[in-house]
Amino acid sequence: AQSVAQPEDQVNVAEGNPLTVKCTYSVSGNPYLFWYVQYPNRGLQFLLKYITGDNLVKGSYGFEAEFNKSQTSFHLKKPSALVSDSALYFCAVRDGGGADGLTFGKGTHLIIQP
Amino acid sequence: NAGVTQTPKFQVLKTGQSMTLQCAQDMNHEYMSWYRQDPGMGLRLIHYSVGAGITDQGEVPNGYNVSRSTTEDFPLRLLSAAPSQTSVYFCASSYAGQNTEAFFGQGTRLTVV
Repeated sequence: AQSVAQPEDQVNVAEGNPLTVKCTYSVSGNPYLFWYVQYPNRGLQFLLKYITGDNLVKGSYGFEAEFNKSQTSFHLKKPSALVSDSALYFCAVRDGGGADGLTFGKGTHLIIQP
Repeated sequence: NAGVTQTPKFQVLKTGQSMTLQCAQDMNHEYMSWYRQDPGMGLRLIHYSVGAGITDQGEVPNGYNVSRSTTEDFPLRLLSAAPSQTSVYFCASSYAGQNTEAFFGQGTRLTVV
């Protein structure tokens, strides 16, 4: 069975500082990893994904994520946080050898303080 | 470009009532799925479909039925609503393949009293 862990319920960062939102995963096959963002009362928006290849993946709004196979992690990063980045972030995984649905983490609230 | 459209946006049901949450996509995506979002639990997969006429159960299927008669539509039916089904429901669609990202609707906030 596939699973995702987001160990932090909330991350607080000052505007202009770098941010990291952590994600670890467990799958039996090759992992396909995704990050989504949810603004209040909205659906989820796709940020970026890792399929294969470069371990550093670049996505929307200046976000990037680093895939680490040995640590089974896929942390979301941004060099300089904006207040508008404040939202709920979800990491998700799809097992390359398994079911078609996404398995999501519980989400991390990112709060950027001016 | 409408993307994934869910109706209604809000609904209040009494225990035991039935209803159908509608989901339609105009991107010709093969895959469609339903999730529920509960506080502190992330999104959990209810049912999914890999094409017209094909559906399968996800993590939390009990109390829900689905069918997929066309590529565009994937309705979710609650046969006899229970307070435990109070949640926000999201429909998603994507192209076929494990490496494709899903597109989400705006959600339906359902309250069962």
